[in-house]
Amino acid sequence: KAGVTQTPRYLIKTRGQQVTLSCSPISGHRSVSWYQQTPGQGLQFLFEYFSETQRNKGNFPGRFSGRQFSNSRSEMNVSTLELGDSALYLCASSPDRGLYEQYFGPGTRLTVT
Amino acid sequence: KNQVEQSPQSLIILEGKNCTLQCNYTVSPFSNLRWYKQDTGRGPVSLTIMTFSENTKSNGRYTATLDADTKQSSLHITASQLSDSASYICVVIARSNDYKLSFGAGTTVTVRA
Repeated sequence: KAGVTQTPRYLIKTRGQQVTLSCSPISGHRSVSWYQQTPGQGLQFLFEYFSETQRNKGNFPGRFSGRQFSNSRSEMNVSTLELGDSALYLCASSPDRGLYEQYFGPGTRLTVT
Repeated sequence: KNQVEQSPQSLIILEGKNCTLQCNYTVSPFSNLRWYKQDTGRGPVSLTIMTFSENTKSNGRYTATLDADTKQSSLHITASQLSDSASYICVVIARSNDYKLSFGAGTTVTVRA
């Protein structure tokens, strides 16, 4: 089976712009979670989608949003980018919610200038 | 204050030696605890998932322990190899109305020949 794929792998944006990141989960996986990783804050949970519905949300401002499609693929959007949004954005998929192993993608490295 | 504390922050060991990483948490109500290995520039990879009733779980040369009474976990690496050089992240999941993830800052392990 192919692993979790994320596109693009690298992205440079300017303050004030918006960005959309994409995640394709492992075939058959229905849960997709998004994380932000920075050197200062470490890994932080953004949100989880399951069956096209947001099921869980971390403590991030409303500028961060996401969605999941019927094929379980997911996108996250960040509007009005700030310098502090520069980070590695990781997507993880699992077969279902709960006590299941999560499989992470390679991440999208976003740099905001 | 972070509810998941990992120690040490970093360590250097010689190839072939053993080491132990610590994870202390205050998260409740406890659901499960996970250890991840993250190589530089890549997404985390799950090593173990431990529930309340599990004291020890192994994955090859990695052995995790959990003491739910003292809210402590450890990850022991036996006969370290150069490929063990990575960041090791402890994640504790609480469950009340829904799942809440708390992340440790990670321990960076460097294995030297």
